[in-house]
Amino acid sequence: DIVLTQSPDTLSLSPGERATLSCRASQSVGSRYLAWYQQKPGQAPRLLIYHTSSRATGIPDRFSGSGSGTDFTLTISRLEPEDFAVYYCQQYGYSPPTTFGQGTKMEIK
Amino acid sequence: QVQLVESGGGVVQPGGSLRLSCAASGFTFSTYGIQWVRQAPGKGLEWVAVISYDGSAKHFADSVRGRFTLSRDNSKNTLYLQMDSLRPEDTAVYYCAKESVVYHSGWYFDSWGQGTLVTVSS
Repeated sequence: DIVLTQSPDTLSLSPGERATLSCRASQSVGSRYLAWYQQKPGQAPRLLIYHTSSRATGIPDRFSGSGSGTDFTLTISRLEPEDFAVYYCQQYGYSPPTTFGQGTKMEIK
Repeated sequence: QVQLVESGGGVVQPGGSLRLSCAASGFTFSTYGIQWVRQAPGKGLEWVAVISYDGSAKHFADSVRGRFTLSRDNSKNTLYLQMDSLRPEDTAVYYCAKESVVYHSGWYFDSWGQGTLVTVSS
C-alpha cells in the first residue's frame, strides 16, 4: 500500500499569511491522482482539491495544489480565519486501497 | 443537493455486531460507488471499504476483511455495512462517502455524510 506522509504535523500561522502543506508518497501515485480535504472539528471532511490541482466546486481560489510523482503541495495564499482546520491528502492512483496522510493541523499563531 | 445520512452506530461489546446504513439522496445512487472511511477519536482518516455502483465489486481494508460485509439496495438508495466480530480498535466515527465519477470506484470523494459513532467497549 502507498504510504502518505504529511508535513508538518502542525502549522502555526496568522490570518493573512501564506500556508504551504506537504504530502509525500512512498511511491509514485501517478501524475495527478492526489486529493486534499479539509476537516473542521465535529464535521466531515470536505473536498478541496482533486487531480492534484483542480479545485472542487465552491472552493475559493486562495487554495491551490501542485506536484507530481511522490511530492505534492497544498498552498493557501492568504489565510482566512475559517481556514484553520486539519488537512488531509489522499492518493487514489493505486486504489483500492486508497490511502490518506496522517493530517496537518493548521492552528492560529 | 447531494445528501448522505449514516445511521446505526452505538455502543457494542467486543465480539458483537452492528449494521450501519447510509441513505442517499440528491443524485442517481445506482450509478455511483460508495466508500466507507472511519476516524478513531482524535485520529486521522482510515479507508474501510468500497462497493461499486451495482454491488458487483467490493473491497475491504486488511483490518476489517472477513469481519465486515457490504451490500446496497439501489431501489432504496441505501447502503449497508455489516460489522461482525467487533474489536475495541474498531471504535470510530464511520463516514460514507460518494465517489466522484459515475460507474467508477476508488477515486476521490466529493460528498460525505455526517458520520455515525461506533463504540466497542465492555
